[in-house]
Amino acid sequence: DSGVTQTPKHLITATGQRVTLRCSPRSGDLSVYWYQQSLDQGLQFLIHYYNGEERAKGNILERFSAQQFPDLHSELNLSSLELGDSALYFCASSVEGGQQFFGPGTRLTVL
Amino acid sequence: DQQVKQNSPSLSVQEGRISILNCDYTNSMFDYFLWYKKYPAEGPTFLISISSIKDKNEDGRFTVFLNKSAKHLSLHIVPSQPGDSAVYFCATLYSGGGADGLTFGKGTHLIIQP
Repeated sequence: DSGVTQTPKHLITATGQRVTLRCSPRSGDLSVYWYQQSLDQGLQFLIHYYNGEERAKGNILERFSAQQFPDLHSELNLSSLELGDSALYFCASSVEGGQQFFGPGTRLTVL
Repeated sequence: DQQVKQNSPSLSVQEGRISILNCDYTNSMFDYFLWYKKYPAEGPTFLISISSIKDKNEDGRFTVFLNKSAKHLSLHIVPSQPGDSAVYFCATLYSGGGADGLTFGKGTHLIIQP
């Protein structure tokens, strides 16, 4: 158990819908990273938040957004969903610049 | 264009023998390299890492070798055990790149045969 929790574990929704994925980092970790793992692209970095502030963006679509709250949990919002957004979404947490610990992931299926 | 490549999607090794997983990268700015292990229905778990100032790092049965001139790293597992069966991801980082996340390869599925 990495200490990082993600909810929900599975999510099934329809094209055009909006969903929110939630991540709680390990106690004491201020950094939260979001990654997408799809069949053809592997694990891709989406976005990084540190202590409530956005620090870096990777291959994140404009339809996707994230935020980190004062209690340090983070949410990834995916809107106008397309079939190609079906993937595993992982969050990871770390102390700044340290080893990243991954949560168990949320499997999103868009029908 | 893939910056980190793991060219073997799968690898089958007999229990007790050595497993060698390979990874190539293209960006010479990467200066920190990690291996993660992933079981089905779980998130990736950190295994071992190496900084670009070293060419070898060892932790128990796991050794990572880095060849900077060839932009190549490898993970050696000796001896291989059934519990090592998992997907292994190579990941890289440019420590001077601000707060960017890790860049991952697509993974190698290691199967340890009894």
